[in-house]
Order: sequence, then C-alpha cells, then structure tokens
Amino acid sequence: AQKVTQAQTEISVVEKEDVTLDCVYETRDTTYYLFWYKQPPSGELVFLIRRNSFDEQNEISGRYSWNFQKSTSSFNFTITASQVVDSAVYFCALSNRDDKIIFGKGTRLHILP
Amino acid sequence: EPEVTQTPSHQVTQMGQEVILRCVPISNHLYFDWYRQILGQKVEFLVSFYNNEISEKSEIFDDQFSVERPDGSNFTLKIRSTKLEDSAMYFCASRLARGLFGNTIYFGEGSWLTVV
Repeated sequence: AQKVTQAQTEISVVEKEDVTLDCVYETRDTTYYLFWYKQPPSGELVFLIRRNSFDEQNEISGRYSWNFQKSTSSFNFTITASQVVDSAVYFCALSNRDDKIIFGKGTRLHILP
Repeated sequence: EPEVTQTPSHQVTQMGQEVILRCVPISNHLYFDWYRQILGQKVEFLVSFYNNEISEKSEIFDDQFSVERPDGSNFTLKIRSTKLEDSAMYFCASRLARGLFGNTIYFGEGSWLTVV
C-alpha cells in the first residue's frame, strides 16, 4: 500500500526564518515519483517539484530546496528566508506506475510578519 | 504554460440535485482524472479516464458518480443525487500519456461544490 505522512499539521514561523516541512512516504514499488504542491488560500494546486525514485540528488530552486533520502523514505521541503506569501497549505504526494497521485494530509504554514 | 480549465468555479446546489462539473483538458492530452478535496482535508483520487472509459477508480467513486467526454473536448464529472458530504473542491487533471516518466500532470483550478 502507498502512503504519505506529513506529521506536521500546522507550523508558524516569523518572516525570514527558515522552515522545513517533513514528508515520509511508504511504497513497495521501486519506481515512483514524489511531488510537492502548494495550495494558497485561493484553493488551486500549485505544482512545485517532481522527483523520480532514481534521482536522489537534492534540488534547490531559489528559496526552496528539497532533500530526498531513500534510506529514510523522506522527501523534506525547506523554505529559506520565508516570506508572508509563502503562507499556504503544502502537500507532499506520491505516485507509482498506476499514475494516480496519493497526497499527504498537508501542512498548513503560517508566516508571521 | 498549458492550462486546464474548470467550470463552474463555485456551485451551490440543493441536496438531491444533479450536478455536472466541467473540465477542458489540454488539447492533445489523452488521460484525465478527477480528484476531490473535502474542506480542510487531503486531496483524494476519484477516477481516471482514457479512451472513453474509466481506467481506474477509487472506492469513493460509487454509483452516484459518472464521467464522460461527450464532445471530445469537455471532460465532465456528474454527481447524480448530491449529498451534504459531496461538498468539496473537485480538481480535474490532464496528462499526455500513461506513466509519469517525463509526463507532467496538470491540475485545473478546481470547482467548489457546496451542497445545502
């Protein structure tokens, strides 16, 4: 069975602080994709990143970075120098060859001015 | 950037009424999905559709739900007799091919359904 766990339900940090959102996944497949999506208050799903199971290189995109560790089945997301506009719900997700995406329950991030 | 369009953006309906949510996928895409998100909860897979038939569905997708692509462009989700618990955001997704290697999935902006 596939499962995505985001243990942090809600996080509040002060603007400019760094924050890491945790994601732990379970799958029996050796081939799979991991995703992060942002859901701002307006409700749409904003795609942030997709990584395949064969590529464990960490990735940085501006203030965003992702740490993929197969050994611990984790795909954590760090926002550096957070901004108020980063306030949103963030979903980690998993997909295998079946293509459907399994989402975690999300982490609500509040960036306080 | 390709776009998946959903209508309506918000619909309020009375319990027991039929609702049709519409999606215009990206024009050359072949696989379409519906997902649902009850307020404050996670996004859940409902159904996948390919070549005019359902390729996979979840346990949520029971007999009151149906999908079709009536005119080759719109992809619709019909809820036959809505219940209060159908109130949710419904997301349409579109992708070119099966399998996610090199294949991006595009989500629409969602349709909010409120059943009263």
